[in-house]
Amino acid sequence: ELKVEQNPLFLSMQEGKNYTIYCNYSTTSDRLYWYRQDPGKSLESLFVLLSNGAVKQEGRLMASLDTKARLSTLHITAAVHDLSATYFCAVRISNYQLIWGAGTKLIIKP
Amino acid sequence: NAGVTQTPKFQVLKTGQSMTLQCAQDMNHNSMYWYRQDPGMGLRLIYYSASEGTTDKGEVPNGYNVSRLNKREFSLRLESAAPSQTSVYFCASSDVGLASETQYFGPGTRLLVL
Repeated sequence: ELKVEQNPLFLSMQEGKNYTIYCNYSTTSDRLYWYRQDPGKSLESLFVLLSNGAVKQEGRLMASLDTKARLSTLHITAAVHDLSATYFCAVRISNYQLIWGAGTKLIIKP
Repeated sequence: NAGVTQTPKFQVLKTGQSMTLQCAQDMNHNSMYWYRQDPGMGLRLIYYSASEGTTDKGEVPNGYNVSRLNKREFSLRLESAAPSQTSVYFCASSDVGLASETQYFGPGTRLLVL
């Protein structure tokens, strides 16, 4: 069965702290995506990771991909309240289909 | 550019009623998608259109039909709504399938079937 598992599914943290969200997937894939969704809003693309060892950073967010371990991480550095959102990872299984994780709801308290 | 637009934003239906969700994009993208999002789950692909004139089933197509009206527009139809179709529906587009680096999502349609 094709599965994408994120953990944790819920994370409440203090501003200024660091944390990592994990995304494990069960099938080989050459591409992994991270998206952000604010409550009641649409999805916004954060990162596309294309190869083993890929690392991308934008502000306080850094994503990495290990295709051998079938694992991606999204690391948050010195969290700020504005990063509160739900974060999804998704894995490409064909040129038109993604399998999505259930999402990690992140709440950052002042 | 408006990006991807969807109408309506919110709809309440009774079981057995039909409706069409509309989606349009102004980015000249070839590929368009319909997803549903249910609480505690990731998005699931209902149908996609690789290019104008083609449509294909995704992961959960039962109970839905689609029409790629032209390059800009991709509609989703529920012929006989069921409570299990209560969900948030997102339309998305991309340049050339997932060879493109990202999909762009519309604002969503919240559907409640009573």
